[in-house]
Amino acid sequence: SQQGEEDPQALSIQEGENATMNCSYKTSINNLQWYRQNSGRGLVHLILIRSNEREKHSGRLRVTLDTSKKSSSLLITASRAADTASYFCATRPQGAQKLVFGQGTRLTINP
Amino acid sequence: EPEVTQTPSHQVTQMGQEVILRCVPISNHLYFYWYRQILGQKVEFLVSFYNNEISEKSEIFDDQFSVERPDGSNFTLKIRSTKLEDSAMYFCASARWTSGTSTDTQYFGPGTRLTVL
Repeated sequence: SQQGEEDPQALSIQEGENATMNCSYKTSINNLQWYRQNSGRGLVHLILIRSNEREKHSGRLRVTLDTSKKSSSLLITASRAADTASYFCATRPQGAQKLVFGQGTRLTINP
Repeated sequence: EPEVTQTPSHQVTQMGQEVILRCVPISNHLYFYWYRQILGQKVEFLVSFYNNEISEKSEIFDDQFSVERPDGSNFTLKIRSTKLEDSAMYFCASARWTSGTSTDTQYFGPGTRLTVL
């Protein structure tokens, strides 16, 4: 698989439930960032986790990073209809300035 | 809160024509980027720009593409002779990127949808 692969590709849950999305990557990284994209719109930055961090929280978001497994997860607690969007992880490889994006997870929150 | 802005929001052009996409990065940011997203596909890096020169570019960024910071606020992407496959959403991003840290959040603009006919 390519750098920054998310799973599942699509996730549909009921409002109020928790949503978990996973991301795997191949190379050593400086940091990993999660972005949200509403249909046809821009990318909104959610959270950044550095390579020496294991867990980070921001409001209803919880991100974990396991550099030994080269994987990360994004947990959204108490989901709302407004959380419906595509979620992308993006890694900044060591020595590079670019972000490498995954294919994304399409999250649908049903009212 | 400061934002990255992009103009136009939608550009339609004929194959072979030149287009210039414009971006205004966040004012105290020093690193600028262009990415693109073909419909239904992942976001792909094109180029990064720092200190008035290209610092990194991808294989996509060939001789048909160029970037410029013509003044203190604008950052442009030029495509000299557009092809059908250049149709995509083009995102500009900027980052403050303090030296010695890895907390270089990249903030993205809303995008320009380029349609090549």
